[in-house]
Amino acid sequence: GDSVTQMEGPVTLSEEAFLTINCTYTATGYPSLFWYVQYPGEGLQLLLKATKADDKGSNKGFEATYRKETTSFHLEKGSVQVSDSAVYFCALSETGGYQKVTFGIGTKLQVIP
Amino acid sequence: EPEVTQTPSHQVTQMGQEVILRCVPISNHLYFYWYRQILGQKVEFLVSFYNNEISEKSEIFDDQFSVERPDGSNFTLKIRSTKLEDSAMYFCASTQKEKQLFGPGTRLTVL
Repeated sequence: GDSVTQMEGPVTLSEEAFLTINCTYTATGYPSLFWYVQYPGEGLQLLLKATKADDKGSNKGFEATYRKETTSFHLEKGSVQVSDSAVYFCALSETGGYQKVTFGIGTKLQVIP
Repeated sequence: EPEVTQTPSHQVTQMGQEVILRCVPISNHLYFYWYRQILGQKVEFLVSFYNNEISEKSEIFDDQFSVERPDGSNFTLKIRSTKLEDSAMYFCASTQKEKQLFGPGTRLTVL
């Protein structure tokens, strides 16, 4: 079945540091890929998405590129802020738009001033 | 932007009791979902619902669970006889196309 693997963390960075959270996936078809973010005490928010190979999703300074050849969707940000402290989930859903979402374990990011 | 809402935010119940978790999906969405997240673990799919019937369910979604859309706006998850291991955060989601939007979750604590 489909699965998503991501680094567990926690990841602790100083403000303005560069962030990379690795994510790889296994899927039978051509999935859509997502990053969701969960701020403390809140629900899951869609951060960015990519629906086909070589697409780059971006939002709030975060980026991730759909790499079919390496089955990866790594999340990056050039300069993190304290307000970026949250848990980040890599996820996928099979093609079709209405399929369930399969999540990775989540990576906790803590940014210190 | 429209949001998925869930009530209550926190539910505490005794083992063996029935609970109903409520969700109001986004009004023009057609597909609805329940997920759960046990503390410290990944978010897991429970069930999807379309056109007033279950379209897919996971192994977790056994006979103790049921879903219903009792009117045009609410979408409910019922756990008939709660167990300690049902303690988790339960998320409702809805989707129209490729953007699945999640509610804030209901934290269920079974004592």
